Amino acid sequence: DAGITQSPRYKITETGRQVTLMCHQTWSHSYMFWYRQDLGHGLRLIYYSAAADITDKGEVPDGYVVSRSKTENFPLTLESATRSQTSVYFCASTEGDFEQYFGPGTRLTVT
Amino acid sequence: DAKTTQPPSMDCAEGRAANLPCNHSTISGNEYVYWYRQIHSQGPQYIIHGLKNNETNEMASLIITEDRKSSTLILPHATLRDTAVYYCIGTLGGSQGNLIFGKGTKLSVKP
Repeated sequence: DAGITQSPRYKITETGRQVTLMCHQTWSHSYMFWYRQDLGHGLRLIYYSAAADITDKGEVPDGYVVSRSKTENFPLTLESATRSQTSVYFCASTEGDFEQYFGPGTRLTVT
Repeated sequence: DAKTTQPPSMDCAEGRAANLPCNHSTISGNEYVYWYRQIHSQGPQYIIHGLKNNETNEMASLIITEDRKSSTLILPHATLRDTAVYYCIGTLGGSQGNLIFGKGTKLSVKP
């Protein structure tokens, strides 16, 4: 299916575990983004990527790692999950025009 | 990115125009005004953007004051499906500026 997808949609993990959230887009957009959304906050940028193998930190990057070996994929890894990383994670992409296209989100709970 | 101020909530009757205000007095000359919305639990959805001139598309109209310190998003005939949180964002662009989401305005469209 065309568009931007995220997997898993829901994930429960334990403190200290490594977890990877996947993001895949079919438009070959150059730019991809990871945001987190918590109650009482708007979306906050974690990392972004301007192209394959080019990534940069956003507002709240600590505790997260990203990679972008292929244009269409932008996985986000929590190396050692903490309860404070319980959140809804959104991936987005754009081709440098003005509209960012967002995925459906991954709801992550760290116990 | 420009700091934006929006009312936390607004109500609108179904079929009437919804006018959502946004103050962005610190916006710089090359920053665009973007509007996104987020329907419950979904990823944000782009609505419209503008620089200086008023803009209209199939979803909404954007009115920007001449001094660019404020703007108004107009949904001409609000429906129940327009109930969402609306975000006003001042930024360089979808890829360059990355989107800084505040708390937005919760619009409730009532029958």
